[in-house]
Amino acid sequence: EDQVTQSPEALRLQEGESSSLNCSYTVSGLRGLFWYRQDPGKGPEFLFTLYSAGEEKEKERLKATLTKKESFLHITAPKPEDSATYLCAVQPGGYNKLIFGAGTRLAVHP
Amino acid sequence: KAGVTQTPRYLIKTRGQQVTLSCSPISGHRSVSWYQQTPGQGLQFLFEYFSETQRNKGNFPGRFSGRQFSNSRSEMNVSTLELGDSALYLCASSWGLAGSYNEQFFGPGTRLTVL
Repeated sequence: EDQVTQSPEALRLQEGESSSLNCSYTVSGLRGLFWYRQDPGKGPEFLFTLYSAGEEKEKERLKATLTKKESFLHITAPKPEDSATYLCAVQPGGYNKLIFGAGTRLAVHP
Repeated sequence: KAGVTQTPRYLIKTRGQQVTLSCSPISGHRSVSWYQQTPGQGLQFLFEYFSETQRNKGNFPGRFSGRQFSNSRSEMNVSTLELGDSALYLCASSWGLAGSYNEQFFGPGTRLTVL
């Protein structure tokens, strides 16, 4: 069964304290792994797509990496505005169905 | 470029009623997917439409249905509402063509409350 597990469930950081979020997955025929950011009461905001093991993508303070079993979202020197829930999703073979993890709630304090 | 729009943003219904939600995808996108988000179950896939045809369906009862129009706009309908249908309903659009880049971009959602 296709499954996505994110850890930790919640993470509290001080401003400037770097850390990583984990997304482990089991999926038949991975077409892509997606990272989204979601603020309370809003729809998920697209961050990255990773397609193959070894791939890395960066955007401002965020860097996403992918292996055959998991993905990491590294946050370097976070700021309070990075506080949000970060969602990981995989797209198995077969059109546009996304399977989401439960998310990591990140709180960055000044 | 305008993003995905969803209407209405908020809805309050009572048990047994039915509801229709609307989604307009990003211009040029032909695939529309619907998701349900609840605190207990997280984000769960409902169904996907491409060129007015349902291509994929999640594990939801037949009370949940949808359709897509020739301009790619989509609607989803929930009949005989139950308390457990209270959720944030999200629509996502993408190019949708097999083999192409298929990042899905989400709308702001419709918050449905069933009393």
